[in-house]
Amino acid sequence: GPKVLQIPSHQIIDMGQMVTLNCDPVSNHLYFYWYKQILGQQMEFLVNFYNGKVMEKSKLFKDQFSVERPDGSYFTLKIQPTALEDSAVYFCASSPLGSAETLYFGSGTRLTVL
Amino acid sequence: GQQVKQSSPSLTVQEGGISILNCDYENDMFDYFAWYKKYPDNSPTLLISVRSNVDKREDGRLTVFLNKSGKHFSLHITASQPEDTAVYLCAAGEGNEKITFGAGTKLTIKP
Repeated sequence: GPKVLQIPSHQIIDMGQMVTLNCDPVSNHLYFYWYKQILGQQMEFLVNFYNGKVMEKSKLFKDQFSVERPDGSYFTLKIQPTALEDSAVYFCASSPLGSAETLYFGSGTRLTVL
Repeated sequence: GQQVKQSSPSLTVQEGGISILNCDYENDMFDYFAWYKKYPDNSPTLLISVRSNVDKREDGRLTVFLNKSGKHFSLHITASQPEDTAVYLCAAGEGNEKITFGAGTKLTIKP
């Protein structure tokens, strides 16, 4: 089936540094999402993105977070600067039409902030 | 508070038995209900979903039951097999807005 790829699968950085998480969505999809899962807790919605704009974001999407998808390239989540509480697994998802039934997830990037 | 709750963090079922996974939700406006399956270090994958205009949907060994008045939905897996061993995430949403996940139930099928 369709695959959403997330690169890298693990990333370790020092607190205060910038990090960019990359997501390669399914090629004809138009809607993109990030979810955050802290160890032992549930996956929580961060943000969704369509037509070059953030459509909705949660309170977890702090000012230090930003997303973009330059044409034809990765959908990225940038955190600058990082904090200890940003340690989590970040899941990217994409959808062709924005419907819940057609949401495809990547396998996540585990971010560890030291 | 948690809008979508899975009260059982784990469940063990004998091979061949019926696995019943439960999910409760709080938001009356939710009209989309889904179950995802997740293996370790892998992506959550949609198994089955319903909209609120039905109270039951079957797909092979999987059946989703929706109880809107009780704000509860469940996944039944019949003839459970070792390859059904995984984490099962319930999820709910309103329209085509963001979906909210439960914390997951780890299902183990014992041979």
